[in-house]
Amino acid sequence: DTGVSQNPRHKITKRGQNVTFRCDPISEHNRLYWYRQTLGQGPEFLTYFQNEAQLEKSRLLSDRFSAERPKGSFSTLEIQRTEQGDSAMYLCASSLGFGPPEKLFFGSGTQLSVL
Amino acid sequence: AQKVTQAQTEISVVEKEDVTLDCVYETRDTTYYLFWYKQPPSGELVFLIRRNSFDEQNEISGRYSWNFQKSTSSFNFTITASQVVDSAVYFCALSEAGGGYSTLTFGKGTMLLVSP
Repeated sequence: DTGVSQNPRHKITKRGQNVTFRCDPISEHNRLYWYRQTLGQGPEFLTYFQNEAQLEKSRLLSDRFSAERPKGSFSTLEIQRTEQGDSAMYLCASSLGFGPPEKLFFGSGTQLSVL
Repeated sequence: AQKVTQAQTEISVVEKEDVTLDCVYETRDTTYYLFWYKQPPSGELVFLIRRNSFDEQNEISGRYSWNFQKSTSSFNFTITASQVVDSAVYFCALSEAGGGYSTLTFGKGTMLLVSP
């Protein structure tokens, strides 16, 4: 069990640039989640995959954000035309199951700073 | 309206003191799940407990205990004989059947500082 892996750990970009983050969940986990966390706040839900299907998207996820999970394995989160308000910690989590939620395993996150 | 309220922003205690972290939730669902997570300074959220809405038994795990009261919509967390290693931000979270259980709604967290 290698845990949930996220890359990069830190990303600094200029406003207007595109960025992409990667998440490798625990291998047998069928569910994958993206959350965003700003300083002093709890994680906020962004989107959820069951295998390769994106089943839920938060209204926080503007059209500049897109997430994929090809083949139900790793996932990528892309932010186009970044804005300073996108600066946050982006957290990925995975879990196993089809019904009520079991515990989520979180990665260490990608800290995004938009200058 | 916030679905999960953690009114205590920060709590400071001295080692060996007992401390209770409050969590109040709001839902119209009769079936839901409540969670507590710990976020140490390293940043990775760590699962502590899951409780479903039909199980109001209190739970104890070592120095940790949880008090679930549906009548007051509260799910409080107590650490007995706190230790410096307990210093972290603690989050309460809610998952609702009406939302297909697809999301966890987190509170804003309570930062616990345990000094020697």
